[in-house]
Amino acid sequence: QQQVKQSPQSLIVQKGGISIINCAYENTAFDYFPWYQQFPGKGPALLIAIRPDVSEKKEGRFTISFNKSAKQFSLHIMDSQPGDSATYFCAAGMNSGGSNYKLTFGKGTLLTVNP
Amino acid sequence: TAGITQAPTSQILAAGRSMTLRCTQDMRHNAMYWYRQDLGLGLRLIHYSNTAGTTGKGEVPDGYSVSRANTDDFPLTLASAVPSQTSVYFCASSDSFHPTTDTQYFGPGTRLTVL
Repeated sequence: QQQVKQSPQSLIVQKGGISIINCAYENTAFDYFPWYQQFPGKGPALLIAIRPDVSEKKEGRFTISFNKSAKQFSLHIMDSQPGDSATYFCAAGMNSGGSNYKLTFGKGTLLTVNP
Repeated sequence: TAGITQAPTSQILAAGRSMTLRCTQDMRHNAMYWYRQDLGLGLRLIHYSNTAGTTGKGEVPDGYSVSRANTDDFPLTLASAVPSQTSVYFCASSDSFHPTTDTQYFGPGTRLTVL
């Protein structure tokens, strides 16, 4: 059972355009929603994260929009640049009992920004 | 500060052989994790450790074992490798086991091929 569904699998955007990646989750116990960015040959790195008590969080050109009722959240990259070309993973975290807190990742979106 | 180091960078292993993937962090983080990354499947948690001396099973623990003798090291062992364990393995750490306050930092990964 896939708990975090991410789309699209791949995305091609022109420089200066807006990149939008969507994720949906099923378990309402999730209470933390980070996005990770991964460049080829590197490990993932936290890009931006949101908690369900806010509907939007912006950091520079990156914005997370969160819709609690729809159980969906999305990453918007404004003014996309070739350097943003990477794989993006959404994730959802929850306490799974005691001190066990786990992240469940989406399958990833390969973003290509053409110059 | 090195952050998280993983060794080896890559390895080709004959099926049936054993191998230990090494992970060391110098951030004195309490929690550590092992993920495998497969194309189209995203990141899946193998094992985790809340603190030195404790370990737990993640989403895909079969065929893998871990130990956490001290804060810094979290080795992952494949007792008898099989081709389905061909993957890229990432070690990660966080300052506490509740990632709403602490980021998971990832190592550079180990690419393992089992033939």
